[in-house]
Amino acid sequence: QKEVEQDPGPLSVPEGAIVSLNCTYSNSAFQYFMWYRQYSRKGPELLMYTYSSGNKEDGRFTAQVDKSSKYISLFIRDSQPSDSATYLCAMTKAAGNKLTFGGGTRVLVKP
Amino acid sequence: GAVVSQHPSWVICKSGTSVKIECRSLDFQATTMFWYRQFPKQSLMLMATSNEGSKATYEQGVEKDKFLINHASLTLSTLTVTSAHPEDSSFYICSARDPNLNQHYNEQFFGPGTRLTVL
Repeated sequence: QKEVEQDPGPLSVPEGAIVSLNCTYSNSAFQYFMWYRQYSRKGPELLMYTYSSGNKEDGRFTAQVDKSSKYISLFIRDSQPSDSATYLCAMTKAAGNKLTFGGGTRVLVKP
Repeated sequence: GAVVSQHPSWVICKSGTSVKIECRSLDFQATTMFWYRQFPKQSLMLMATSNEGSKATYEQGVEKDKFLINHASLTLSTLTVTSAHPEDSSFYICSARDPNLNQHYNEQFFGPGTRLTVL
């Protein structure tokens, strides 16, 4: 069993819809939770990070962490075709430690 | 923001040859760099952690004699794939941390990746 599970998709939504992404994990020691966006043949770009449980909002993006359920989510409101990419969740036990990535979910936002 | 570059962006080589990939932090000094490998439609798998001036720490299952890592300066780490074979064909991505950033999380900044194809 992988430490971090993520549905590979693809997830196809119409422009303007809400994109809902999630990851589950097994290691309760994870404290920092990140979401990265990766365009094809490019390196990942950090979108958001959250420490411990709770919600965090940044523009169209909302990240949620539920440590009791070992479940994290990312919501993208008012999705745009430019949001089409692969979204990777990642987590780590302590600041500066190595990251453990989920498999990534491919998202396609159709105009 | 912090910028990490990689060179080359893509490389094709013959089986049995060695390939060197460079990772540079352009506007900050990185005491720690990470090397990842990503197969098509799969996630990033950490290969090794590279610390300036010391030996790299390899993840379980990664052959240190095959994937040579050198972090000789605070802005440059290199990954050399020795005696490359077709199964080494992959997307190699490095990342770096800026220790001077006052961050709770201490973000890793990723390079654009290097696509290696071994014929």
